[in-house]
Amino acid sequence: DVKVTQSSRYLVKRTGEKVFLECVQDMDHENMFWYRQDPGLGLRLIYFSYDVKMKEKGDIPEGYSVSREKKERFSLILESASTNQTSMYLCASRDSLGSNQPQHFGDGTRLSIL
Amino acid sequence: AQTVTQSQPEMSVQEAETVTLSCTYDTSENNYYLFWYKQPPSRQMILVIRQEAYKQQNATENRFSVNFQKAAKSFSLKISDSQLGDTAMYFCAFMKHPGNTPLVFGKGTRLSVIA
Repeated sequence: DVKVTQSSRYLVKRTGEKVFLECVQDMDHENMFWYRQDPGLGLRLIYFSYDVKMKEKGDIPEGYSVSREKKERFSLILESASTNQTSMYLCASRDSLGSNQPQHFGDGTRLSIL
Repeated sequence: AQTVTQSQPEMSVQEAETVTLSCTYDTSENNYYLFWYKQPPSRQMILVIRQEAYKQQNATENRFSVNFQKAAKSFSLKISDSQLGDTAMYFCAFMKHPGNTPLVFGKGTRLSVIA
């Protein structure tokens, strides 16, 4: 089974801090994704990566950056955390071989910015 | 751009009954994939079922089946013999072909199965 591991289930940070959310997958997947989930808004794509050192902006990249130095790890960075970034963050990975491959998700990180 | 609409924010069903969750989408693509994901209170998103647009036959996975109407751009999920463990948020999602693109999600339907 594919395992996508997010480093924290709950995280509390202060406004203005630089925040790192880590995601690791164990299936050598090329594609990795970061989503934000808010009630009534569903999942919104922040950034994604097709391969190492590659990144693409999603629908809501403002205030975020990402890093993919190794294939298995995709980090989401909040450069200067703000209260409107309080949310659930979901990481996903996907095998690029085979067009209909689904995304596999981690358990999510519930981030609170105070 | 593709959009996915789930018109039912919340639904409930009695245990052992059947329930249908609605999903419509908008795309100009001819080839694509559709998915239903389940997110129980434990939070992990789990794939329930998938459908390739080029396949006319509706996908089925045990108690879960879809009604895929390509012309109407509709992709509903039917859950038969509902169980308490089916209580979850359900998300409909769209992916263009080839599949090297992110999923586009609907806003979700919260399903409660009542004993």
